[in-house]
Amino acid sequence: GQNIDQPTEMTATEGAIVQINCTYQTSGFNGLFWYQQHAGEAPTFLSYNVLDGLEEKGRFSSFLSRSKGYSYLLLKELQMKDSASYLCAALDSNYQLIWGAGTKLIIKP
Amino acid sequence: GAVVSQHPSRVICKSGTSVKIECRSLDFQATTMFWYRQFPKKSLMLMATSNEGSKATYEQGVEKDKFLINHASLTLSTLTVTSAHPEDSSFYICSASEMGLAGAAGDLETQYFGPGTRLLVL
Repeated sequence: GQNIDQPTEMTATEGAIVQINCTYQTSGFNGLFWYQQHAGEAPTFLSYNVLDGLEEKGRFSSFLSRSKGYSYLLLKELQMKDSASYLCAALDSNYQLIWGAGTKLIIKP
Repeated sequence: GAVVSQHPSRVICKSGTSVKIECRSLDFQATTMFWYRQFPKKSLMLMATSNEGSKATYEQGVEKDKFLINHASLTLSTLTVTSAHPEDSSFYICSASEMGLAGAAGDLETQYFGPGTRLLVL
């Protein structure tokens, strides 16, 4: 079956760095997405990786290892506004998004 | 970036009535629109995939006759919850994918989400 695993909840301190991991098992693979979702709001696009390696975009970076079925989202210089759920989603061979349950990130001052 | 709107943002209705939710892509044409439902503290649940000019593809367990989807144009899809009941109360979110865009990797597959519609059925 198809499956996405990510931690349910993580806590970090303002100004610090946090890494949110995601492992996936899908029928074929056409890329991996990370979305941010604040409570009560719709998800917003953060990143897309289809090739191995690290892609940096400001304070956020996303990494992919296709051979390991693994990705992580790295958030640096954490701000209180980064408190949100972070959703990992993999695109399978039919171009269907398989969603993880999301990781709730709590930022403490 | 691509913008998707949803209307209404919030609706309260009586049990037995029907509710229509609109999803529009404002600055791009969307070949495909997706309808999701999200329960509190849960991930998104895909309900159906809607392609312009054709019938929607519903996920297993989603009643076609209860959740009517119409994708009338490349910028508009509607979800109608027919004869709504309290258990239909949820957060409904649409998303859209751009068509034929030659750009950075991921442009074709990236889904842009609407702001969501919170439905409360009394």
